[in-house]
Amino acid sequence: GDSVTQTEGLVTLTEGLPVMLNCTYQTIYSNPFLFWYVQHLNESPRLLLKSFTDNKRTEHQGFHATLHKSSSSFHLQKSSAQLSDSALYYCALSAASSGSWQLIFGSGTQLTVMP
Amino acid sequence: EAGVTQSPRYAVLQEGQAVSFWCDPISGHDTLYWYQQPRDQGPQLLVYFRDEAVIDNSQLPSDRFSAVRPKGTNSTLKIQSAKQGDTATYLCASSYHKNTEVFFGKGTRLTVV
Repeated sequence: GDSVTQTEGLVTLTEGLPVMLNCTYQTIYSNPFLFWYVQHLNESPRLLLKSFTDNKRTEHQGFHATLHKSSSSFHLQKSSAQLSDSALYYCALSAASSGSWQLIFGSGTQLTVMP
Repeated sequence: EAGVTQSPRYAVLQEGQAVSFWCDPISGHDTLYWYQQPRDQGPQLLVYFRDEAVIDNSQLPSDRFSAVRPKGTNSTLKIQSAKQGDTATYLCASSYHKNTEVFFGKGTRLTVV
């Protein structure tokens, strides 16, 4: 079945350094949507960015990601981490099933940004 | 516009007790999802509806869990005879089937002791 893999469970870095969180996926569908959700402590997941188009960079709130279908990847990046970026980040896959979309989440990466 | 509303926010049960969670999706959203999020794990889909119809409940432990959405609006997730392994946050989410963005409620944090 469909699946999403996030290899890093925990990423700790210093403020100002670049961020890269890895995400790869498996799906039988040729046109999936890929998402990054962010979940701050005691809050629900919130959409950060999404993409459907191969090899096109998508950006939001300083973060960016590019869907690469050739490598089934959708890595999240930011040029300079901020303290407020500390949160759980989930990569998710969605493909239409029975006319509705369902999200399949990865296991998540806890990003901690230190001063 | 109101978001997805869930109640209660917290529940503590002893093993063997029953509990119901309630969800009110965003107005106009025809698709409703229930996710289970164990501590330190990603959300895992339990069941989802399009209007009042169940689209996929393959991950719902059918012997103790049930979910309904009788009028295609609000939904109830019920756990009969809770187990310690059910300890998790239960997230409700909704979307419109032609859109890909899914909106989450704040969740119900369940602890089974």
